Amino acid sequence: QKEVEQNSGPLSVPEGAIASLNCTYSDRGSQSFFWYRQYSGKSPELIMFIYSNGDKEDGRFTAQLNKASQYVSLLIRDSQPSDSATYLCALKRGYNKLIFGAGTRLAVHP
Amino acid sequence: SQTIHQWPATLVQPVGSPLSLECTVEGTSNPNLYWYRQAAGRGLQLLFYSVGIGQISSEVPQNLSASRPQDRQFILSSKKLLLSDSGFYLCAWEGAGETQYFGPGTRLLVL
Repeated sequence: QKEVEQNSGPLSVPEGAIASLNCTYSDRGSQSFFWYRQYSGKSPELIMFIYSNGDKEDGRFTAQLNKASQYVSLLIRDSQPSDSATYLCALKRGYNKLIFGAGTRLAVHP
Repeated sequence: SQTIHQWPATLVQPVGSPLSLECTVEGTSNPNLYWYRQAAGRGLQLLFYSVGIGQISSEVPQNLSASRPQDRQFILSSKKLLLSDSGFYLCAWEGAGETQYFGPGTRLLVL
């Protein structure tokens, strides 16, 4: 079982819709979770981090964490073609290590 | 504000040749620094991290090595490249709240 699992996609959504990206993890002791966006050929850029159960909103993005069920999700409201990218989920292991999922490719079509 | 630089941006090297990739950070002192590799279509794999000058921790046994000669400089090296060393090499620094920020990356192709 992979430590961080993501559906590789592609997840295809129409412009203006809500995109829902999901991530599950195996280590019940994980405390810190991160979402990165990576455009093709570019380096990952941090979108959000979440530490507590529940929702955290930042603009069009909402991260949701459920530690009991061991999943973290990212919702993108009013999806735009510019949101088309690969979204990487990561969790913090110990003091220094980030464990990444393989990413979900999102395609927003006009 | 903090800025992270990597060079070169792209590199094509023959098998068996040496490698040196450089990463520098501006606008912060004593940052935790990281080297990751991303193989084509794969997730990021942590290679090395450093919490200070001369302090290097290796995550994956391989023919790569890392050094931190200055507070804001992190270097990734190899004496002899393998085909399997091809990939996208990313340097990152750690900011507040355990967040890591990536540099622009170096795309390495070993032929």
